Amino acid sequence: QVQLVESGGGVVQPGSSLRLSCEASEFVFKTYAMHWVRQAPGKGLEWVAAISYDDGFNKYYTDSVKGRFTISRDNSKNTLYLQMDSLRDEDTAVYFCARPRVRGVLFFDYWGQGTLVIVSS
Amino acid sequence: EIVMTQSPATLSVSPGDRATLSCRASQSISSALAWYQQKPGQAPRLLIYAASTRATGRPARFSGSGSGTEFTLTISNLQSEDFAVYFCQQYNDWPLTFGGGTKVDLK
Repeated sequence: QVQLVESGGGVVQPGSSLRLSCEASEFVFKTYAMHWVRQAPGKGLEWVAAISYDDGFNKYYTDSVKGRFTISRDNSKNTLYLQMDSLRDEDTAVYFCARPRVRGVLFFDYWGQGTLVIVSS
Repeated sequence: EIVMTQSPATLSVSPGDRATLSCRASQSISSALAWYQQKPGQAPRLLIYAASTRATGRPARFSGSGSGTEFTLTISNLQSEDFAVYFCQQYNDWPLTFGGGTKVDLK
């Protein structure tokens, strides 16, 4: 059974940094692109970032996080990361990591339970 | 960016009813559309992809239709476990975008 477990969320002040992790298991992690999707409290879903499979050469971001967030992966640790810098109030959300159903598609069969990030002074 | 608009925001139905949820794209996305169900405190769950293909294990009462810019998710003979929020997502182009959601609640 595919498992994705996020960690690293917490309460931080505006302008600070945080690194989220997503530990994957029960599948060959390096063969799948991986994504981060977030959900502000009581709001809808917002795709945040994606990284290609294997060496993670290709990275994609939503405009609101470009230049502030960095997605990366460590295939030796089966772990996906999201480095979040210059955090803003509007980054407050539950952050999910998500895996596509199969390689090459951009919809998500597998999701973690999410980790909550609160940006507040 | 492709904007996805869902309607209605809330749909009040009774068990056994048919629920029809709409999703509109701001430009053509062919059939690159997925539907998810989300219950409180849980991650989204994939229901439909490619506009009309049910994900593995999803009940036949869930069906999707449409192409281009207009899409529909139909829940036939609604069950108590179907009360939830439903989101559409386009994956035709970057950035991937979701609709704002339709909450299906008890009439």
